[in-house]
Amino acid sequence: SAVISQKPSRDICQRGTSLTIQCQVDSQVTMMFWYRQQPGQSLTLIATANQGSEATYESGFVIDKFPISRPNLTFSTLTVSNMSPEDSSIYLCSVSWGTGELFFGEGSRLTVL
Amino acid sequence: RKEVEQDPGPFNVPEGATVAFNCTYSNSASQSFFWYRQDCRKEPKLLMSVYSSGNEDGRFTAQLNRASQYISLLIRDSKLSDSATYLCVVRADSWGKLQFGAGTQVVVTP
Repeated sequence: SAVISQKPSRDICQRGTSLTIQCQVDSQVTMMFWYRQQPGQSLTLIATANQGSEATYESGFVIDKFPISRPNLTFSTLTVSNMSPEDSSIYLCSVSWGTGELFFGEGSRLTVL
Repeated sequence: RKEVEQDPGPFNVPEGATVAFNCTYSNSASQSFFWYRQDCRKEPKLLMSVYSSGNEDGRFTAQLNRASQYISLLIRDSKLSDSATYLCVVRADSWGKLQFGAGTQVVVTP
C-alpha cells in the first residue's frame, strides 16, 4: 500500500476561478489516476496521469478544463479550471502498481458557489 | 444501460444478521472483479477481490457468476462497523480501466 496525501482536503470557490489539487505519494507508483465522485454517484475516471507526458482523458473530460501534471512518479496535480457549480464534487487521486487494486487519497471536496 | 449496476439500498440489517447483495455487469469480457468499501465522507478502500471460485475473508464471502454476469457479497454476523457503502468494481481486461458501481448502502442497527 502507500500513503497518499491530497490537498486541499476541501475548498469553497467562486465560479470562474480555478483550483489546483495536489496528490503526493510516499513511494513511486506505476499509475496515477484522477477520479470524480459527485453526490450519490459512482466514481468517474477523469484521466490517467502519465509521468512526463500528457494525461490520457476519458470521454467527456478535456485538458483545457482539467489540466493535469505528473512531473515524477510520486506527484501529480489536477486543476479544475473556470469552475461552475456543476464542478462541485469530491476529486480523488488514486494509484496502482498494475495489480488491479487501487489506493485512494482522502479526496478533495470542492464546492463552487 | 450502466456498465455496473447495484441496488443502492439502504439495506437495514440487525446486528448479528446476514446480508447479501449483488452487482451486475454488462461486459461479458470482464476479467477482474472487486468489492470496495466506502465509509461516509471517506475514500474507497479495497475490501476484497472476487475470484472465479469464490472467496471468503472472515465474515465476508464474495461469489462470481459469469453466466449471469453478476457478483455477490455476503456479510455474516453483521457488526455496527460494517455500516458503509459497498462499491462493486469491474475491469474488462488486464489494462482496462476500472468501472465503479454507484454502491450499495448497508446500515447495521443495534
